[in-house]
Amino acid sequence: DTAVSQTPKYLVTQMGNDKSIKCEQNLGHDTMYWYKQDSKKFLKIMFSYNNKELIINETVPNRFSPKSPDKAHLNLHINSLELGDSAVYFCASSHRLAGTYEQYFGPGTRLTVT
Amino acid sequence: GENVEQHPSTLSVQEGDSAVIKCTYSDSASNYFPWYKQELGKRPQLIIDIRSNVGEKKDQRIAVTLNKTAKHFSLHITETQPEDSAVYFCAAGLDTGGFKTIFGAGTRLFVKA
Repeated sequence: DTAVSQTPKYLVTQMGNDKSIKCEQNLGHDTMYWYKQDSKKFLKIMFSYNNKELIINETVPNRFSPKSPDKAHLNLHINSLELGDSAVYFCASSHRLAGTYEQYFGPGTRLTVT
Repeated sequence: GENVEQHPSTLSVQEGDSAVIKCTYSDSASNYFPWYKQELGKRPQLIIDIRSNVGEKKDQRIAVTLNKTAKHFSLHITETQPEDSAVYFCAAGLDTGGFKTIFGAGTRLFVKA
């Protein structure tokens, strides 16, 4: 069983387009995250949701809008895509209420903006 | 803001040797220090973690040490094997109403057979 899944795995699109990435976890975790990993492999947190509530919102352009319809899902919508948005986007989850902070990462979505 | 520095950025060792990766963090409120391993094209996966009330933890060939006073923690891998080759990330986490983890820039470890 896949613990944290993301779709799509690859996304190639043109500048100016709008796209979404979906994430689902079946671990029963209460917290979900979005990270961006650039070409230098630097992992930077973008957003964190706890029980569908936005908890952490780093200095991310407002073209990026996360949405959590329920505890098991956290989607990322990106408007007006730019070349600099090209990266691998990882979704992750953890169980804060249980006091375990280990994060389980999804397989990543490689976004290429041309 | 919070910052985690990691050194070295690249580390090459001979199979069987030890590898040490060092990190420092800036926020003294950090209380959780995980290490993640990321193989090429794969997702990061936790290999070991340590809480702020513990100074050292070991799991087979992997050990982590924490010096809270110096805000410094390290990963030690002994008897390295080619399959240890990967990018290793340290991180510092704190719970501020929501749990936040700041990652270091990563260390690319090469283990030569």
